[in-house]
Amino acid sequence: ETGVTQSPTHLIKTRGQQVTLRCSSQSGHNTVSWYQQALGQGPQFIFQYYREEENGRGNFPPRFSGLQFPNYSSELNVNALELDDSALYLCASSLGGQGLGDTQYFGPGTRLTVL
Amino acid sequence: EDKVVQSPLSLVVHEGDTVTLNCSYEVTNFRSLLWYKQEKKAPTFLFMLTSSGIEKKSGRLSSILDKKELFSILNITATQTGDSAIYLCAVRQGGSEKLVFGKGMKLTVNP
Repeated sequence: ETGVTQSPTHLIKTRGQQVTLRCSSQSGHNTVSWYQQALGQGPQFIFQYYREEENGRGNFPPRFSGLQFPNYSSELNVNALELDDSALYLCASSLGGQGLGDTQYFGPGTRLTVL
Repeated sequence: EDKVVQSPLSLVVHEGDTVTLNCSYEVTNFRSLLWYKQEKKAPTFLFMLTSSGIEKKSGRLSSILDKKELFSILNITATQTGDSAIYLCAVRQGGSEKLVFGKGMKLTVNP
């Protein structure tokens, strides 16, 4: 167990709807990264938050947005859902600013199905 | 374009066999290479490698990095059915701190 929690575990939405996924980072960690993992693929980087500021973004459209709170928990919001957004969404927490010693620890993920 | 390539993509072995998983990469601003094991959902951390030629070991698992040839291997000796999982290789980039993952390698260990 990494101490990283995510909610909900499963979610079913229809095309065009909006969704909010939540992540609580491991105690003492100030950095949260979000990844999308489609079936049979490796995780793809969406974005990262370090001390409440976005610290890098992958190749995802603006309808993917995020937020980090003062307690370092985080939300991922996806607007105008598309069928291809169906995937496992993983949150990873780390202690940023540690240079080479930084390791990301993953939560159990949220399985999103878009119908 | 940054990429991480794992091979083979799947492997079926018998308990007691030794397996070698390969990971090659072409990534800008390389910082470190990480191996994860994914059984159901959450990838669990195995190793982080930053220096060439220094083997990291944990029980029956070991890993090494070659920064000149841009690859890493993960070895599992005396495999057990509990080793059945997807093994992910990821490269961490400086700057944005993101991880670039390979597609993963599905290992099945039969009794």
